[in-house]
Amino acid sequence: DTAVSQTPKYLVTQMGNDKSIKCEQNLGHDTMYWYKQDSKKFLKIMFSYNNKELIINETVPNRFSPKSPDKAHLNLHINSLELGDSAVYFCASSQGLSPGTDTQYFGPGTRLTVL
Amino acid sequence: AQSVTQLDSQVPVFEEAPVELRCNYSSSVSVYLFWYVQYPNQGLQLLLKYLSGSTLVKGINGFEAEFNKSQTSFHLRKPSVHISDTAEYFCAVTASGSARQLTFGSGTQLTVLP
Repeated sequence: DTAVSQTPKYLVTQMGNDKSIKCEQNLGHDTMYWYKQDSKKFLKIMFSYNNKELIINETVPNRFSPKSPDKAHLNLHINSLELGDSAVYFCASSQGLSPGTDTQYFGPGTRLTVL
Repeated sequence: AQSVTQLDSQVPVFEEAPVELRCNYSSSVSVYLFWYVQYPNQGLQLLLKYLSGSTLVKGINGFEAEFNKSQTSFHLRKPSVHISDTAEYFCAVTASGSARQLTFGSGTQLTVLP
């Protein structure tokens, strides 16, 4: 049973296209996150949602729009893709909002390549 | 704000040898510290964390880390590594209390050689 799953695993697309990445967790957690890992392996948080409410919204271009239809899903839609968007995107979930007490569980990642 | 520096981007080591992966942090407030491991083509998973109390923290797979406040370090150690420990290791920090996000280091690739 996969706790946090993401689709697709790989995504190759042209500049200017719009694409979505889906994330689902079956852990019953209330909080979900999107992280971006760049080519130098730096991992940076983009968004977090708690009970479908946006909690963290880091400095991310507004071409990126997260959508949480329910607590178990957090999708990431990206408009007008740019070369610099190429990265690995990780979804994660945790029970609550505090990293100290609420362990984050990560999905396997989606490798996005923009040509 | 907090930041993390992982001093070694790559650490090759022979099987059954000891290893230390270094992590230094910067923060003006008290912190929680974490080590995560990323096996090839997988997401990150928590190895261990320091919240308070004993400065020596034991985690999964035989790893341990020591919190050193005076040196602002949280180095990860294992006395004898296996081939299966080959992975990317990330140190992370967050402000203690009600902080809501983790700040990650740039990772250290541990390669265990036969």
